Amino acid sequence: GQQVMQIPQYQHVQEGEDFTTYCNSSTTLSNIQWYKQRPGGHPVFLIQLVKSGEVKKQKRLTFQFGEAKKNSSLHITATQTTDVGTYFCAGDPGNTGKLIFGQGTTLQVKP
Amino acid sequence: DSGVTQTPKHLITATGQRVTLRCSPRSGDLSVYWYQQSLDQGLQFLIQYYNGEERAKGNILERFSAQQFPDLHSELNLSSLELGDSALYFCASSPREGSGRYNEQFFGPGTRLTVL
Repeated sequence: GQQVMQIPQYQHVQEGEDFTTYCNSSTTLSNIQWYKQRPGGHPVFLIQLVKSGEVKKQKRLTFQFGEAKKNSSLHITATQTTDVGTYFCAGDPGNTGKLIFGQGTTLQVKP
Repeated sequence: DSGVTQTPKHLITATGQRVTLRCSPRSGDLSVYWYQQSLDQGLQFLIQYYNGEERAKGNILERFSAQQFPDLHSELNLSSLELGDSALYFCASSPREGSGRYNEQFFGPGTRLTVL
């Protein structure tokens, strides 16, 4: 079946260091979304990427969608303790809303 | 607060039992999605409804069923419960088609189901 692989599973960084998580889909995606889930919380929508090669920024967060629309990355510059949580990518192959979630990357930030 | 409500917050029951989880989408949203989140399986899409009709189906067991009512709230029914059904069940809603934000999903706080 269709799969979305996400690495790394865990990342521990010192506050101020950068962080990147990567997603790779087994099939071409119509769009990819990113969500953040704080410990004990629910996933919160961050962004959606639709176009091949698209790059979007939200303050210290940079999201990229690969040229082949099969991979994506999220990069956080100068992490802060408020960045702690699990970041999920979610691929939508058919633009139906039927999302295939990656396993998530759990980010810990040491102050 | 996403505007999506789910009840109950916690549910503890025994194997073989049947439970109903309830979700109310954000005001104006027509789509409702159900997800199961467990430690070993991650976030798994179960089913989607749009304005009362089933729109997409994922890895939903035959023991599970769902529906969306005319007032747009949705219920997920889980029957013949097994230990492995213990998980967090999230409901999400998204804006109507044509809104330009149809694919953005807003998750509720979840229902934690424990099967003993």
